[in-house]
This record gives sequence, C-alpha cells and structure tokens, in this order.
Amino acid sequence: DIVMTQSPSSLSVSAGEKVTMSCKSSQSLLNSGNQKNYLAWYQQKPGQPPKLLIYGASTRESGVPDRFTGSGSGTDFTLTISSVQAEDLAVYYCQNDHSYPFTFGSGTKLEIK
Amino acid sequence: EVQLVESGGGLVKPGGSLKLSCAASGFTFSSYAMSWVRQSPEKRLEWVAEISSGGSYTYYPDTVTGRFTISRDNAKNTLYLEMSSLRSEDTAMYYCARGGVTTFAYWGQGTLVTVSA
Repeated sequence: DIVMTQSPSSLSVSAGEKVTMSCKSSQSLLNSGNQKNYLAWYQQKPGQPPKLLIYGASTRESGVPDRFTGSGSGTDFTLTISSVQAEDLAVYYCQNDHSYPFTFGSGTKLEIK
Repeated sequence: EVQLVESGGGLVKPGGSLKLSCAASGFTFSSYAMSWVRQSPEKRLEWVAEISSGGSYTYYPDTVTGRFTISRDNAKNTLYLEMSSLRSEDTAMYYCARGGVTTFAYWGQGTLVTVSA
C-alpha cells in the first residue's frame, strides 16, 4: 500500500500569513504514460465532510480561491495558502489517487491565531 | 447540484450487520463510479469500497474484503454498502463519494456507524 505522510500535523498562523504544508508518498504518484500526478488535496472544515481542493497535484477544483496552490511531482507534494483567511480553518488531507488501495495522509490541522 | 445523502447508520453489536444507503441526485448516477470512505473518531480517512459506473466491478482494501459489499441500483440512483462481521474498529462516519476528476470528487454528509456491545 502507498503510505501518505503529511507534515506538520498542525500549524497556527495569523490571517494574511503564507502557509506551506507537505505530503510525501511512499511510491511515485506519477503516471509515466500521461505524465500526470494522481495526488489530491482535500479541506475538511469542522462538522463538514471533506471537500476537494486540488487534483492532479496542481489543478484547482472549480470555485477554489486562487490563494490555494498545489505543487510537486513523484513523491513530494506541497499545498500552499498564499494569504490565510479566517475561513481556512480546517484540516487538510492529501490522497493517493494513483493506485489501489486509495490512501490518505493523516492531515494537517490549520489553526488561525 | 450534486447531492449525496447517506442513511442507515446506527449502533450495532460486534459481529452484527448493517446496510448503508446513499441517495444520489443532481447528476447522471449511472455515468459515475462511486465509493464509500470512512472517517474514524480519530479523524483518519480510509477508503473502503468502490464500484464501477455499471456495477460490474468492485474494489476493496484488505481491511474489509470479505466483510463489506458495495452495490448500486442505477434505476433508483442509490448506492449501498452491506457490512457484516462488524468490529469495534469499524466505528466511523461513513461517507459516500462520487468519482470525477478524482475518485472522491464529491462527498455526502455522512452517516455514523457505532460498533459497541
């Protein structure tokens, strides 16, 4: 199984600050045939189900603010929030969408000071 | 608007069975693969089943293989998860999810399953 490792487990920032969180996979999520990375990011706000933010490692889902940026390839991925807003309070999960069994990271909890 | 509404959760004893349902609307149900994903009380997410759009193919992780069965009724726009031989570690919020740009492009609100004596 592909193990997804996220860091840090939590971070606390002030509104307006830039945030970076990491996701590493134990195997490459790059499909050599189409050169696409099958890595997704989800945002889960308190009391809500997860919501898709980023797919293909770097493509924003429709309606997602452009302050959210996904990057990386292969086994190393990053989610960046350029200027954190109060409504970004949530847990962020990365997910292996490359191969069965689909697996998730343990999440990065974002707190707003 | 895509809507997924889960039901059927509840309290069940270890070794017991339960069947979850997910009513879908707002899209052509028969065109999409569907999945179940659970979230433990510790907030860990685990994919537990996937079914192809026509229902011919199903996939499970080892943790539930032989105990869980995913199915769908495309005429009723409904997804199911039959769970048997339930264990305490199956206690979780169970979400149904629709495929699309990713395997879990849309999520329902979830239904809670508690396995306890």
